[in-house]
Amino acid sequence: QKEVEQDPGPLSVPEGAIVSLNCTYSNSAFQYFMWYRQYSRKGPELLMYTYSSGNKEDGRFTAQVDKSSKYISLFIRDSQPSDSATYLCAMSGGGGFKTIFGAGTRLFVKA
Amino acid sequence: KAGVTQTPRYLIKTRGQQVTLSCSPISGHRSVSWYQQTPGQGLQFLFEYFSETQRNKGNFPGRFSGRQFSNSRSEMNVSTLELGDSALYLCASSWTTSGDYNEQFFGPGTRLTVL
Repeated sequence: QKEVEQDPGPLSVPEGAIVSLNCTYSNSAFQYFMWYRQYSRKGPELLMYTYSSGNKEDGRFTAQVDKSSKYISLFIRDSQPSDSATYLCAMSGGGGFKTIFGAGTRLFVKA
Repeated sequence: KAGVTQTPRYLIKTRGQQVTLSCSPISGHRSVSWYQQTPGQGLQFLFEYFSETQRNKGNFPGRFSGRQFSNSRSEMNVSTLELGDSALYLCASSWTTSGDYNEQFFGPGTRLTVL
């Protein structure tokens, strides 16, 4: 079993839809939870990170962490064609601990 | 401020050859991590260097090695290439590995194709 599980998709939604992306994990030592966005032919770029449990909002993006269920989510409101990319969840124990990535979910937002 | 740069961007090799990839981190960043990205496995951690020392290592065979220079630039080497080594190799730099969360900044990657 992988430490971080993420459905690779693809996920296709119409413009304006609410998108829900999720990951589960098995290592209870993880303290930092990140979401990266990767456009084609580019490296991943950090969207948001959350420490421990709770919610964090940034514009149209909301990240949620439920450590009791070992489950994290990223919600995208009013999705746009420019949101079409691969979204990767990532987790770390912080400090010198390595970061573990999910496989990434390919998202397509249709105009 | 210049981002993370990786060279070359594309590379084609044949089985059995060896290859060296280069990464220049953001100025001032002392930590460099390497990842292998494939469609089936996603992003897998190879190793991390901090101040010229390997601090963490993933579960890859010894054919994969790396080093970091005093200016924080890093190289990774893959010897005796196999078809399964075809992947996008990403380098990420961050300020430090100690303390709280440190954001990693990724380069565009080197696309390696092994024939």
